[in-house]
Amino acid sequence: QVQLVESGGGLVKPGGSLRLSCAASGFTFSDYYMSWIRQAPGKGLEWISYIDSSGTKIYNADSVKGRFTISRDNAKNSLYLQMDSLRDEDTAVYYCAREGGYCSGGRCYSEGYFDYWGQGILVTVSS
Amino acid sequence: QSVLTQPPSVSAAPGQTVTISCSGSSSNIGDSFVSWYQRLPGTAPKLLIYDNNKRPSGIPDRFSASKSGTSATLGITGLQTGDEADYYCGTWDNILTAYVFGGGTKVTVL
Repeated sequence: QVQLVESGGGLVKPGGSLRLSCAASGFTFSDYYMSWIRQAPGKGLEWISYIDSSGTKIYNADSVKGRFTISRDNAKNSLYLQMDSLRDEDTAVYYCAREGGYCSGGRCYSEGYFDYWGQGILVTVSS
Repeated sequence: QSVLTQPPSVSAAPGQTVTISCSGSSSNIGDSFVSWYQRLPGTAPKLLIYDNNKRPSGIPDRFSASKSGTSATLGITGLQTGDEADYYCGTWDNILTAYVFGGGTKVTVL
């Protein structure tokens, strides 16, 4: 079955860096777009970044542009989020999520929804 | 301030029906498919509805959804205590080039 397991969270000081990882299993990782989504304490869901199946197309939310970098290693079935210049407001539970999609004619496409989510990992930014 | 607007909370007795609205604009709901997610306390969000009104396998038909213009609606019939959760709508916004969620609606079973 599809499994997504995040790791790498923890406590970091403002201005610091952290790298999250998401290990995927139970599906052909290289066929799917992936995203990072977060939820700050007491707040709603916030999408922050997506990457296409080949790793060539990336979109980021304005709130993290220039600070967070999404990447993937299809050989290792892994998704990453490099977070730099962290701020207090980045404190949240971070989820990796698979985007529903399909492949056709040698290309893969996202259908614009998140069909599987990891259990989430807490990132706390505090001095 | 979320791009998509949902009521903060709705409530009803067991067995009754609740509806949750999600209001957007022509650059998001008006131009893309809507999906809905359920987040039970202490768990990761789960996909409830995709492509405006389709249910993934395993989601009971008590959950239904529709879209009209720049708004979408999720309905839950035969409300159960296990339905107490936060519900979020989401879609792609072509102007923001970002996926946007509603602020979430807390469903309480009285």
